[in-house]
Amino acid sequence: DIQMTQSPSSLSASVGDRVTITCRASQSISTYLNWYQQKPGKAPKLLIYAASSLQSGVPSRFSGSGSGTEFTLTISSLQPEDFATYYCQQSYNTRAFGPGTKVEIK
Amino acid sequence: QVQLVQSGAEVKKPGASVKVSCQSSGYTFTNYDINWVRQATGQGPEWMGWMNPNSGATGYSQKFQGRVTMTRSTSISTAYLELSDLRSDDTAVYYCARSGFGMGVNFDFWGQGTLVTVPS
Repeated sequence: DIQMTQSPSSLSASVGDRVTITCRASQSISTYLNWYQQKPGKAPKLLIYAASSLQSGVPSRFSGSGSGTEFTLTISSLQPEDFATYYCQQSYNTRAFGPGTKVEIK
Repeated sequence: QVQLVQSGAEVKKPGASVKVSCQSSGYTFTNYDINWVRQATGQGPEWMGWMNPNSGATGYSQKFQGRVTMTRSTSISTAYLELSDLRSDDTAVYYCARSGFGMGVNFDFWGQGTLVTVPS
């Protein structure tokens, strides 16, 4: 099975900061990589699909990049509503999720 | 608008089975896969498998093979997840989520979640 890892597992940041989260796959998954945001008590919300495509309705401060085994999610200017946990998901074979990155207020 | 509405919370004894439903509306049910994802408290989402509502074909995570069954009723646009031989570590919120078919899919709409509790 393809293993997904994320780094960091958590981070503290301030409103307005640029935030970057990394997701790595244990083998190449091309661009079959999605990013989700989850807030407590809610279902995950799709942010980015196919590594770099912005889901409809998602603010443009979110962006994704990468291919093969290394991917990044960037929030260009962190807003109060962005404090949440972020998960990557590979859709190359299984549809497994990464372990998550919790973004907390500094 | 697209909606996936799940059945209510369940409490089950160890060794029992649970069946969770997910009723879809606002799109053609047979044009998208239904996936099931569970999430234990404080843990990340865990993908369990997919079902094609048109053909009934399924693909299960190896972890759940032999214990999980995904079915559907196209007449009422409803998908079902059945998990058998429940254990305390099956306690989690279970979500259904819509996706396209095959590789490169994403989960664009989700149900509200169903809490399944299996007391130890």
